[in-house]
Amino acid sequence: GAVVSQHPSWVICKSGTSVKIECRSLDFQATTMFWYRQFPKQSLMLMATSNEGSKATYEQGVEKDKFLINHASLTLSTLTVTSAHPEDSSFYICSALFGLGGPTEETQYFGPGTRLLVL
Amino acid sequence: GEDVEQSLFLSVREGDSSVINCTYTDSSSTYLYWYKQEPGAGLQLLTYIFSNMDMKQDQRLTVLLNKKDKHLSLRIADTQTGDSAIYFCAEILKDDKIIFGKGTRLHILP
Repeated sequence: GAVVSQHPSWVICKSGTSVKIECRSLDFQATTMFWYRQFPKQSLMLMATSNEGSKATYEQGVEKDKFLINHASLTLSTLTVTSAHPEDSSFYICSALFGLGGPTEETQYFGPGTRLLVL
Repeated sequence: GEDVEQSLFLSVREGDSSVINCTYTDSSSTYLYWYKQEPGAGLQLLTYIFSNMDMKQDQRLTVLLNKKDKHLSLRIADTQTGDSAIYFCAEILKDDKIIFGKGTRLHILP
């Protein structure tokens, strides 16, 4: 089946630094990837939709200058948390859309997630 | 290991009830969630149930949890064409790890 990887799986950084998280579709091409955030004991929240070759679409309340998304190729999307603060500590999960029959046939494959801790 | 299973497809006539089933393996789940994915869009949280509850109702949605059998279901009453989507079941474990099912594609027949 379709596989999505994320790197790193764990990152600890100092407040004020920037952190880049990679999301890769390993055996398929994905024009659309999604970035989610999971707060402790809470559900996933969609942050943004990443489209290859165009600007990401951010959900309401998500700062696009804070969470930079780059989808430079059909197999890679990156999320950069800029000037990270402790409140950015969270679990970040990406997913990639895959399907051969058009939008109504696509499903999402999830990465394993990246846990970010900002000190 | 941890696993969440769902059937991949479900077809229902408009106006009927849809029941989407999910089984999970890890008994340490704290919350169980249902998400909806419309074509080309990201997941949106539909509803959730805490692991010590048996049932939760929210308008047309009813979630039933059988913790003994590790079985979760989502019932959509009076199914409409706008309910056509993929529905993902997910469990959150005690360490906050989230495990997804592969999604059930709900197709509405006229």
